[in-house]
Amino acid sequence: DSGVTQTPKHLITATGQRVTLRCSPRSGDLSVYWYQQSLDQGLQFLIQYYNGEERAKGNILERFSAQQFPDLHSELNLSSLELGDSALYFCASSPRQGGVYEQYFGPGTRLTVT
Amino acid sequence: AQSVTQLGSHVSVSEGALVLLRCNYSSSVPPYLFWYVQYPNQGLQLLLKYTTGATLVKGINGFEAEFKKSETSFHLTKPSAHMSDAAEYFCAVSEGTGGFKTIFGAGTRLFVKA
Repeated sequence: DSGVTQTPKHLITATGQRVTLRCSPRSGDLSVYWYQQSLDQGLQFLIQYYNGEERAKGNILERFSAQQFPDLHSELNLSSLELGDSALYFCASSPRQGGVYEQYFGPGTRLTVT
Repeated sequence: AQSVTQLGSHVSVSEGALVLLRCNYSSSVPPYLFWYVQYPNQGLQLLLKYTTGATLVKGINGFEAEFKKSETSFHLTKPSAHMSDAAEYFCAVSEGTGGFKTIFGAGTRLFVKA
């Protein structure tokens, strides 16, 4: 158990809908990262927050947004969902920002868009 | 810009044989390098990491990796494969000058034959 929790574990929704994925980092970790993993794209970095502020953006679509709250939990919002958004979404956390710190991954949320 | 190349999307070895998973990186500054493992239906977990100092890094489950700057490589090895090593392995690179992104390779799936 990494100490990172993600809810829900599974989510099935229809095209055009909006969903929110939630992540609670390890106790004391200030950085939160979001990743998307699919068979065709592999593991893609989406976005990173540090202590409530956005710090880095990767291949995140405009239909997706995220935020980190004062209690350090984070939410990833996915809207106008398309079939191609079906994937595993991982949250990870690390103690600080900066490349030296390894990331601790949650178990993921499996999103299925029908 | 950072990048990571993992040679071979699938590697198959016999139980007891040497495991060698290849990773080459590119980075404009001294990198931090990581190997993560992902078991089925789980998030990624850290196997080992290189930051500074000794170039031969030992990790969990008998794995080790050697940082070779001249070859820009960070190959993962294990002397004797076990059935429980079957998983997907990801090499990752972060830059050491405060870069907030960690770039992951495409992954190598390791199969272990009895």
